[in-house]
Amino acid sequence: SAVISQKPSRDICQRGTSLTIQCQVDSQVTMMFWYRQQPGQSLTLIATANQGSEATYESGFVIDKFPISRPNLTFSTLTVSNMSPEDSSIYLCSGMGWDTEAFFGQGTRLTVV
Amino acid sequence: GESVGLHLPTLSVQEGDNSIINCAYSNSASDYFIWYKQESGKGPQFIIDIRSNMDKRQGQRVTVLLNKTVKHLSLQIAATQPGDSAVYFCAEIRTGGFKTIFGAGTRLFVKA
Repeated sequence: SAVISQKPSRDICQRGTSLTIQCQVDSQVTMMFWYRQQPGQSLTLIATANQGSEATYESGFVIDKFPISRPNLTFSTLTVSNMSPEDSSIYLCSGMGWDTEAFFGQGTRLTVV
Repeated sequence: GESVGLHLPTLSVQEGDNSIINCAYSNSASDYFIWYKQESGKGPQFIIDIRSNMDKRQGQRVTVLLNKTVKHLSLQIAATQPGDSAVYFCAEIRTGGFKTIFGAGTRLFVKA
């Protein structure tokens, strides 16, 4: 199974600033995804990170707010731009191969003050 | 809208008993249904999946049942242990895609 590492594990940021979260997979995966999880709630898919091209965003999420890069098969970044307290959440990176099992990082706990 | 959701938000069971976690879904166009376990401070961990053309699948101490007639999915955990305490999510992968859509989650408490 793949191991996914996320950095930072947590951060406290000032409103109006941006934070870039990094996700590294220890082996090549076919798909990479970014999720958001509010405390005590389920995971909401933000976007599919596509290698070498623009990410595919879910309804309610836009590229200007959550720009995503995936320069190769094992690395992706998510930026949370122009942050507000409503962006406080846990952000999770996920990778998937050719089967149904998605692997997750430990998540990045973001607090915006 | 389409959703994958759960009947019970919390479940408390005695150690050694069997646990049953339920999930209702509304989208019929899914290839796979999956159960994930999430412990505090960690990302979700894959438990078991079931293809949409099956109605039962067994793993180690876990069984997933799929009833497509009533759009219901359940996870049965045999001889529940304290280490099983976590939040359990049902999820689905829709036909033609690879993205995993998560349901609302059930928190399982195991009493010693």
